[in-house]
Amino acid sequence: DTAVSQTPKYLVTQMGNDKSIKCEQNLGHDTMYWYKQDSKKFLKIMFSYNNKELIINETVPNRFSPKSPDKAHLNLHINSLELGDSAVYFCASSLGQRTQYFGPGTRLTVL
Amino acid sequence: KQEVTQIPAALSVPEGENLVLNCSFTDSAIYNLQWFRQDPGKGLTSLLLIQSSQREQTSGRLNASLDKSSGRSTLYIAASQPGDSATYLCAVRGATNKLIFGTGTLLAVQP
Repeated sequence: DTAVSQTPKYLVTQMGNDKSIKCEQNLGHDTMYWYKQDSKKFLKIMFSYNNKELIINETVPNRFSPKSPDKAHLNLHINSLELGDSAVYFCASSLGQRTQYFGPGTRLTVL
Repeated sequence: KQEVTQIPAALSVPEGENLVLNCSFTDSAIYNLQWFRQDPGKGLTSLLLIQSSQREQTSGRLNASLDKSSGRSTLYIAASQPGDSATYLCAVRGATNKLIFGTGTLLAVQP
C-alpha cells in the first residue's frame, strides 16, 4: 500500500535517554514534515524538508534533530528526553504545497 | 502571526442531521486551506483542500467553503452518520509553507 509510515507506534522511555522515530513515504513526494500533537490535541509543525533540505525549523529545542537521508525518509532524533517531550509525533509528506498526507503517529511517553 | 480558531469545540447531533463546522483565521494571506479528520488514537485523514482562489470544494456528503477576505471557512456535512464521529481540524497554509492548525471540533453523531 502507498502510505506514510512511522516506527515505532509507541515509545516509552526514561528521562535523559536518546531516542529516534523513523518516517518513510512511498508516495513520491518531495516534501516531508514533523508535527507534534500535545496533550490538548493541538498540532504544531516542528520541521519540514524539501528534497532533503531543511526549509522549516520552528522554535524547537536543539535536542530535536531531524535527518533526511533521502526524499522518502525523514527521521527525528531526540536527545536527553524530558517529561515535556511526551506527545504524539506525526510525520507527513506532500508534493510541493499540495495536500499533506499524515502517518499514523508515534506516541512518546517520557517517564 | 497566523491564528486559527474552530467553533464549536465540541458538537453532538442525532444521526441524519446536517451540520456546519466553522474555522476562522486571522491572516487572509493564505495559499490554501485543508480540512482533516482525526479518529481517536489515529493519524489525520485529509478530507478537502481549497486553494486560495477557490470558493468551495465538494466530496460526497462534505462541502467546504472558503471566504478568504473575511478569514472564514466552513465544513458542511450532510445527512450525518455515526461513522462521521471524529475530531475535525482545519489548517491554513501561508507563504511560509507551514500548515497552521486550528483547535479542532470534536463531533459526536448519535445513532
